[in-house]
Amino acid sequence: AQTVTQSQPEMSVQEAETVTLSCTYDTSESDYYLFWYKQPPSRQMILVIRQEAYKQQNATENRFSVNFQKAAKSFSLKISDSQLGDAAMYFCAYRSTTSGTYKYIFGTGTRLKVLA
Amino acid sequence: SQTIHQWPATLVQPVGSPLSLECTVEGTSNPNLYWYRQAAGRGLQLLFYSVGIGQISSEVPQNLSASRPQDRQFILSSKKLLLSDSGFYLCAWSVLGTGAREQYFGPGTRLTVT
Repeated sequence: AQTVTQSQPEMSVQEAETVTLSCTYDTSESDYYLFWYKQPPSRQMILVIRQEAYKQQNATENRFSVNFQKAAKSFSLKISDSQLGDAAMYFCAYRSTTSGTYKYIFGTGTRLKVLA
Repeated sequence: SQTIHQWPATLVQPVGSPLSLECTVEGTSNPNLYWYRQAAGRGLQLLFYSVGIGQISSEVPQNLSASRPQDRQFILSSKKLLLSDSGFYLCAWSVLGTGAREQYFGPGTRLTVT
């Protein structure tokens, strides 16, 4: 069974600085999807970025980018120019592409604090 | 565009009372639907998912149940609530087909069992 591990329960970053959140996963599959979700204090889960495993190019969305290392099964999220509004819980998630598979596997989350 | 609704937003119920949480999706057809529970400061626990009307898969044995009476409606129920049922309940949807198939989440329901 697949697993997702976020080893940093909490991180802090100074406003305008860069921070990297770690995520590792375990799978025997060769094709899958990976996601980062943000959960601010409102608790609304928001998709931050997605990555298809077959794509070698790292996904980027404005100030958010990933470092996808397929062989190492690592999927870290880099937030550049951190803003106060980036303070939230961040969850890494995995989804299989296998037909008939519908579940998403979530990590336990990393709480990001942004210091003014 | 697609929208997902959950209600109520907040609920306080006594132990032993029934529960009904509703989730509806607009703007898409035949979505996969999910119920998650999140304890304070914790991760997401998948409770149920559904790939079609009347098709429910349970992930965690408990006193909760789910139903899908219509294509875009997903209901979480309990006949008798326990204190341990307190938490934040999230409904989510995804679709099959091409693309990354990400999940989209509703605003959640905060349930307190007293």
